[in-house]
Amino acid sequence: EVHLAESGGGLVYPGGSLRLSCAASGFTFSGYSMNWVRQARGKGLEWVSYISGSGKTRYYADSVKGRFTISRDNAKNSLYLQMNSLRDEDTAVYYCAQGAAVGISLGGYFDQWGQGTLVTVSS
Amino acid sequence: QSVLTQPPSASGTPGQGVTISCSGSSSDIGSNYVHWYQQLPGTAPKLLIYSDTERPSGVPDRFSGSKSGTSASLAISGLRSEDEADYYCATWDGSLSGHVVFGGGTKVTVL
Repeated sequence: EVHLAESGGGLVYPGGSLRLSCAASGFTFSGYSMNWVRQARGKGLEWVSYISGSGKTRYYADSVKGRFTISRDNAKNSLYLQMNSLRDEDTAVYYCAQGAAVGISLGGYFDQWGQGTLVTVSS
Repeated sequence: QSVLTQPPSASGTPGQGVTISCSGSSSDIGSNYVHWYQQLPGTAPKLLIYSDTERPSGVPDRFSGSKSGTSASLAISGLRSEDEADYYCATWDGSLSGHVVFGGGTKVTVL
């Protein structure tokens, strides 16, 4: 059974940094792309970032480009999101989501989701 | 404002059917697969329909997806109280450099 568990959320001042982690189990981690998707309280889903199975290809939403960095450690079955220069509008629940298998191009396809970790940016 | 347009709400009585639309453009829905997600209150989203019409194992066949041109739809037949949730469409936007886009979401209420 696929299991994704996010951690690292918390309260941070505007301009601060935070690193989110997502521990994956139940599947061959390196064989799948991974994503971060966020949801502000009472709002809809917003895709944040994508990383390919090898880690060589990465994409970012315009709202976070230049401030956030996605990475993965396939040896540790872990996904990360380094968030710098945080803003009030980054406050949201952040979900890690399993994408399609390597070699399959399915943008917007998120098969399994974690339970999310809350990031609050406030002074 | 979302790239994909969904109605903010839809409703029906138990046993009825409801259809949710998702409108986009030639660069997103018109040229890429659409996927649908169900988010029950207080929980993480769940994949409901992928690649326009496919259901993951375990998803009841009361849920079905379709697509025509630059619009997609999610149909729920035989509405049940447990279907009360938010529903989102998503796809790839080929006009942007590597972007996934979501609809704004539709709240389905079972009356």
